[in-house]
Amino acid sequence: EPEVTQTPSHQVTQMGQEVILRCVPISNHLYFYWYRQILGQKVEFLVSFYNNEISEKSEIFDDQFSVERPDGSNFTLKIRSTKLEDSAMYFCASSGLTVDQPQHFGDGTRLSIL
Amino acid sequence: GQQVMQIPQYQHVQEGEDFTTYCNSSTTLSNIQWYKQRPGGHPVFLIQLVKSGEVKKQKRLTFQFGEAKKNSSLHITATQTTDVGTYFCAGVTDKLIFGTGTRLQVFP
Repeated sequence: EPEVTQTPSHQVTQMGQEVILRCVPISNHLYFYWYRQILGQKVEFLVSFYNNEISEKSEIFDDQFSVERPDGSNFTLKIRSTKLEDSAMYFCASSGLTVDQPQHFGDGTRLSIL
Repeated sequence: GQQVMQIPQYQHVQEGEDFTTYCNSSTTLSNIQWYKQRPGGHPVFLIQLVKSGEVKKQKRLTFQFGEAKKNSSLHITATQTTDVGTYFCAGVTDKLIFGTGTRLQVFP
């Protein structure tokens, strides 16, 4: 069965550094998402991406965040100048033809900011 | 902003007992999805409900969507240790908003 893959599985970064989280969505999916989950808390929506542009973003997704689809397969989340409170699990997800179709999640990247 | 709340936050049951989690949205939803997240894992899609008053079953799991399309429930009959995890509802409007989740622990 097709999977969403994320790399790295764990990223440790010094506060203030930039970090790029990478995702390869399922190949025939059109909608891509990033979510954040602080340890023990709920999954929080960050951003959705369709047709090479952001379609929705939450208030968490401020100017320090950006997303990009640099080629036909990768979908990246960049965090500039990381803060301690950015420490969380970051999940990438993709869904098929419409925004209300089930989302398929990757295994996540655990981001630890020191 | 739109909020999706779930109760209870935690539930500990003895294996064989039933379990129910309730989900309430502050706004009317176009549909609702349910996901299960095992400890240390990622959310996995379980089911989607679209119609007002819809009820769907998956083996021991029964999902219900309220008449007003603002609430939903998941009921598990005769829980097993494999049911352990956090159950999230996710309301769909123009994006997917996850509920606060109910963490289920099942004791053998």
